[in-house]
Amino acid sequence: EIVMTQSPATLSVSPGERATLSCRASQSVKYNLAWYQQKLGQAPRLLIHGVFSRATGVPARFTGSGSETEFTLTISSLQPEDSAVYYCQHYNSWPVTFGQGTKLEIK
Amino acid sequence: EVQLLESGGDLVQPGGSLRLSCTGTGFTFVKYVMTWVRHSPGKGLEWVAAISGSGDNKNYADSVKGRFTISRDNSRKTLYLQMNSLRVDDTAVYFCAKSRALVPDGPTELDYWGQGALVTVSS
Repeated sequence: EIVMTQSPATLSVSPGERATLSCRASQSVKYNLAWYQQKLGQAPRLLIHGVFSRATGVPARFTGSGSETEFTLTISSLQPEDSAVYYCQHYNSWPVTFGQGTKLEIK
Repeated sequence: EVQLLESGGDLVQPGGSLRLSCTGTGFTFVKYVMTWVRHSPGKGLEWVAAISGSGDNKNYADSVKGRFTISRDNSRKTLYLQMNSLRVDDTAVYFCAKSRALVPDGPTELDYWGQGALVTVSS
């Protein structure tokens, strides 16, 4: 099983600034990496798939990067509505696994 | 519009059984791998099981293997999760989710999710 490790666990950033979230895989997942946003009491929302590709309707200020084992989600010009928990997920092989999440707080 | 609607969540005693259902509309149900994911506050998101469009191929997380069974009825556009020998640590909100990519039976990212069904295992 591939273990996904996210850092930091919690991130507090001011509106208008940039947030950088990291995700590391215990072995290569090539480009089979997605990011999700989950707000309190809601279902997760797909933000990024294939490391770089934004899902339908996702604003351009959400950017994914990386490859193999190291991945980053960058959120620029933070808005209050970006407050959420963010998860990375690999889908390179079974079983699929998620990271433990990064909680993003907007100051 | 794609919609996924779960049902069947309930309070059940340890050792008990429960079956969740998820009906999908707004897309060609039979063409997509379907997945169950659960969320508990202490554990975050946990992938549970997935099933190919035909229903022939199934994959499970180690934590539920041998206790949970995923299945689907394509004529009813419905996904199921039969949960047996339930444990306290199975307590979670269970989401069904649709694969974004059209692959026969491989893992993919998940682009649409249901609203979730709460399963509470407690005596």
